[in-house]
Amino acid sequence: AQSVTQLDSQVPVFEEAPVELRCNYSSSVSVYLFWYVQYPNQGLQLLLKYLSGSTLVKGINGFEAEFNKSQTSFHLRKPSVHISDTAEYFCAALTGNQFYFGTGTSLTVIP
Amino acid sequence: NAGVTQTPKFRILKIGQSMTLQCAQDMNHNYMYWYRQDPGMGLKLIYYSVGAGITDKGEVPNGYNVSRSTTEDFPLRLELAAPSQTSVYFCASSLDPTFKNIQYFGAGTRLSVL
Repeated sequence: AQSVTQLDSQVPVFEEAPVELRCNYSSSVSVYLFWYVQYPNQGLQLLLKYLSGSTLVKGINGFEAEFNKSQTSFHLRKPSVHISDTAEYFCAALTGNQFYFGTGTSLTVIP
Repeated sequence: NAGVTQTPKFRILKIGQSMTLQCAQDMNHNYMYWYRQDPGMGLKLIYYSVGAGITDKGEVPNGYNVSRSTTEDFPLRLELAAPSQTSVYFCASSLDPTFKNIQYFGAGTRLSVL
């Protein structure tokens, strides 16, 4: 079975600083990768996805992620965070018909 | 366009009670999913459906049942509620998860079993 590991459970960062949220996946077979954001008391919203092609994927709200097959990683980055980026971020992998989610990273942006 | 609608938003159950969590989507999506989200555990797939009349187990199906009689609706049934089922439940739908299409999530149902 697929597994997704998010290495940091909490990431505090100052406003306008860069941030990287780390994600590793386990499968060696074809896999599609996603980052979702969850604001308090809301469902998940898709930030970006990697299906094939260019390994650098750009998403909404200025986020981007890089697929690295050799390191089985899909880290999420933003060059300058805003207060409104404070949320829970989930990395997910799709294998077959099933999504596998990481345990989440809580990003807190400090004014 | 309402997207994915979950009801109720909150519910408290006593041990042994039963209930149905409702999920409806108006996007004509074939695929629908039920997840539970526990603190520090991410989302775990309970059941999913690839179309009306077809359901399959996910990672954590024990204690739950589902049905898919229509494309729009995918209810989740808890027959004998247990404290271990205290969680936030999310329903999601997708036209086709394998390539260009994404999952749309409902706002969640917060369930406490006491």
